[in-house]
Amino acid sequence: GAVVSQHPSRVICKSGTSVKIECRSLDFQATTMFWYRQFPKKSLMLMATSNEGSKATYEQGVEKDKFLINHASLTLSTLTVTSAHPEDSSFYICSANQGNYGYTFGSGTRLTVV
Amino acid sequence: DQQVKQNSPSLSVQEGRISILNCDYTNSMFDYFLWYKKYPAEGPTFLISISSIKDKNEDGRFTVFLNKSAKHLSLHIVPSQPGDSAVYFCAASGSVGTSYGKLTFGQGTILTVHP
Repeated sequence: GAVVSQHPSRVICKSGTSVKIECRSLDFQATTMFWYRQFPKKSLMLMATSNEGSKATYEQGVEKDKFLINHASLTLSTLTVTSAHPEDSSFYICSANQGNYGYTFGSGTRLTVV
Repeated sequence: DQQVKQNSPSLSVQEGRISILNCDYTNSMFDYFLWYKKYPAEGPTFLISISSIKDKNEDGRFTVFLNKSAKHLSLHIVPSQPGDSAVYFCAASGSVGTSYGKLTFGQGTILTVHP
């Protein structure tokens, strides 16, 4: 089946630094990828839609300058959390759309900002 | 504005019995619904889905029922097994408008199946 690889699975960074999270579709091309964030004991909230070759579409309330998304190829989207703060600590998950509602999720990245 | 709601934060079931997880939605543009299973610190795993043109879809021990008039869906797991213990999310998507291609998730229900 389709596989989406997300890296790293865990990252601890100092406040003020930037962290990049990668999301790769391993055996299919994904023109669209989605980035979600999950707070403890909460639902997964869509942050943005990553479109290959064009700008990402951000959901209301998500700071695009804070969460930089790059979808440079049909198999790779990256999310960079810039100038991270402790409140950015969360579980970030990407998903890729295979079309016809075939969504495959990455394994997630646990970000801790200290 | 919670467009997809799972009002039961947790459910405890005996092994072998039926687990019923419920989900309600408010956006009438949603026409595709999915259930995911999630373990801590892992991404969601797809379980089963249903299109709004159907009212039931079955896959092994998992059956999803959709009641469009009530904007309600449910996931039935029978028989329940201890390995089913996880957080279950329902999600909805639409084929048109602003909900196209995006998944809106419920808050999740923690299912615990006791041996």
